[in-house]
Amino acid sequence: GNSVTQMEGPVTLSEEAFLTINCTYTATGYPSLFWYVQYPGEGLQLLLKATKADDKGSNKGFEATYRKETTSFHLEKGSVQVSDSAVYFCALSDVGNGGGSNYKLTFGKGTLLTVNP
Amino acid sequence: DTGVSQDPRHKITKRGQNVTFRCDPISEHNRLYWYRQTLGQGPEFLTYFQNEAQLEKSRLLSDRFSAERPKGSFSTLEIQRTEQGDSAMYLCASSLGLNQPQHFGDGTRLSIL
Repeated sequence: GNSVTQMEGPVTLSEEAFLTINCTYTATGYPSLFWYVQYPGEGLQLLLKATKADDKGSNKGFEATYRKETTSFHLEKGSVQVSDSAVYFCALSDVGNGGGSNYKLTFGKGTLLTVNP
Repeated sequence: DTGVSQDPRHKITKRGQNVTFRCDPISEHNRLYWYRQTLGQGPEFLTYFQNEAQLEKSRLLSDRFSAERPKGSFSTLEIQRTEQGDSAMYLCASSLGLNQPQHFGDGTRLSIL
């Protein structure tokens, strides 16, 4: 079955530091890949996505590239801010069997990021 | 676009009681998903609707769980005879069409005493 493995947290950085959160996946077919972010007390928000190999998703200074050869989708940001403190989830969508597509999401366990001033 | 709305935000109940949660998807979104998230874990898929049809149910969804989406608009998730292990955040998401991003509500946190 499908699975997503992301680096264990928590991750603690100083403001303006470089961020990498590793994510690898196992899937049949050609899933789309996502990063969601969950701020304290709030629901999941889509941060960025990529739908095919070599696509780069980007938003709010965050980037991730869909690497089919390494089955990875690592999240990066060049200079983090205190406001980036949140839990980050890597996820893939399920294309489904027999050509049917339900696009249900399989998530990693999440990585807690804390950015200190 | 008012976002996905879930009600209530928090439900506290005694073991053995029945509970029902409601999800209002984004208008015109034909796909609706329910997920469950426990502490320290990512959300896990429970069930999925396309319009009013429930097309898939996870093995996580025991016989005590039932979900409906009458008329293809809002959805309800009912848990009968709640157990301690049902304590979790229940998340609803909706999407428009094929392979479109899912938009999540803020969730309903269920606490079983």
